[in-house]
Amino acid sequence: DIQLTQSPSFLSASVGDRVTITCRASQDINNYFAWYQQRPGKAPKLLIYGASTLPGGVPSRFSVSRSGGDFSLIISSLQPEDFATYYCQQLKNYPLVFGGGTKVEIK
Amino acid sequence: EVQLVESGGEWAQPGRSLRLSCAASGFIFDDYALHWVRQAPGKGLEWVASISWNSGARGYADTVRGRFAVSRDNAKNALYLQMDSLREEDTALYYCAKGGGSSTYYYYDSWGLGTLVTVSS
Repeated sequence: DIQLTQSPSFLSASVGDRVTITCRASQDINNYFAWYQQRPGKAPKLLIYGASTLPGGVPSRFSVSRSGGDFSLIISSLQPEDFATYYCQQLKNYPLVFGGGTKVEIK
Repeated sequence: EVQLVESGGEWAQPGRSLRLSCAASGFIFDDYALHWVRQAPGKGLEWVASISWNSGARGYADTVRGRFAVSRDNAKNALYLQMDSLREEDTALYYCAKGGGSSTYYYYDSWGLGTLVTVSS
């Protein structure tokens, strides 16, 4: 099975900060990868798919970078509405696991 | 506008069964794969099961394989999750999600609000 290791599990940041969240896959998953945002008490929302594509309506301050099996979600300038929990997911093989999540809180 | 509305969640004793439903609208239902994802209280997301557009491909998490069964009725625009031999660790909010394509290997581009399943004695 493919394992996803997401880090950090928690981070505290201020509005305007640059934030990076990383997900490491245990095997090659090509671009079968997605990021989701979950605000408190809400359903998850698709943030990025195909490893680097932003759906319509997602602000351009969200981007991704990749180095080998490491996929990084970057928020260039954190906004109040970005305080949430972020999850990665691999979509290459069953089981289609999610990462453990990264909770971004206000410093 | 895509809408996914889950129902069927309730309290159940260990060993009993429940059937969850997801009513879909706002898209061509039989063009897309569908998924169940759950979230235990205070925990992260856990993929549960997926079904392709024509039910030809289904996948299950190891934690539910042999106990849960995913199905769909394309004539009724409905997704189901039959949950048998329930365990306390199945307690969670169960989300229905729409895939971005016909196979089960696409991202999840729309989610319902979830239905709560509580398993306890």
